[in-house]
Amino acid sequence: ELKVEQNPLFLSMQEGKNYTIYCNYSTTSDRLYWYRQDPGKSLESLFVLLSNGAVKQEGRLMASLDTKARLSTLHITAAVHDLSATYFCAVMTGTASKLTFGTGTRLQVTL
Amino acid sequence: DADVTQTPRNRITKTGKRIMLECSQTKGHDRMYWYRQDPGLGLRLIYYSFDVKDINKGEISDGYSVSRQAQAKFSLSLESAIPNQTALYFCATSDLAGGGGEQFFGPGTRLTVL
Repeated sequence: ELKVEQNPLFLSMQEGKNYTIYCNYSTTSDRLYWYRQDPGKSLESLFVLLSNGAVKQEGRLMASLDTKARLSTLHITAAVHDLSATYFCAVMTGTASKLTFGTGTRLQVTL
Repeated sequence: DADVTQTPRNRITKTGKRIMLECSQTKGHDRMYWYRQDPGLGLRLIYYSFDVKDINKGEISDGYSVSRQAQAKFSLSLESAIPNQTALYFCATSDLAGGGGEQFFGPGTRLTVL
């Protein structure tokens, strides 16, 4: 059974600081997705990582994938309050396009 | 207009009632999914469908059923609702042929079973 673990589960950081969220998964996969969810809202796709070594960047967020280590990271650079949200990684396995989600990391950026 | 829509957006019902949640999409995707979200548990897959003739159980299908009425419509039913089915329910779509299998989510339905 695939397990997807994120850490930390909760992160409080000051504006301007850098931090990394980690996503570990337990079985072979080369497709990993990052989503953002604001309170009471839907999930918004941030990054699609489709191969070992893939790196994607959008604004202050950068995601990477190491399939050999079964690890993805979401790096936040110079955080701003607008980045406050819950971030989920999700791993795809098999041919059914099924996603297994991590439990999420709730990010709170304080002024 | 939203690409993936869900109705209702909020629903409060009583134990034992039958409830149907509906999902429609205009993205032209062939694959559709139903998830539930509970605090601290992330999203868990209930059912998924590749096309109108292909329905598959996810990891938590007990107590739920689905119907794929058309490529664009996928409904989730709770035949006899119970309080532990109180959750936020999301529909999602994907098209493996493009976009790397990325899934696109609807706005969610908040269901409360009393």
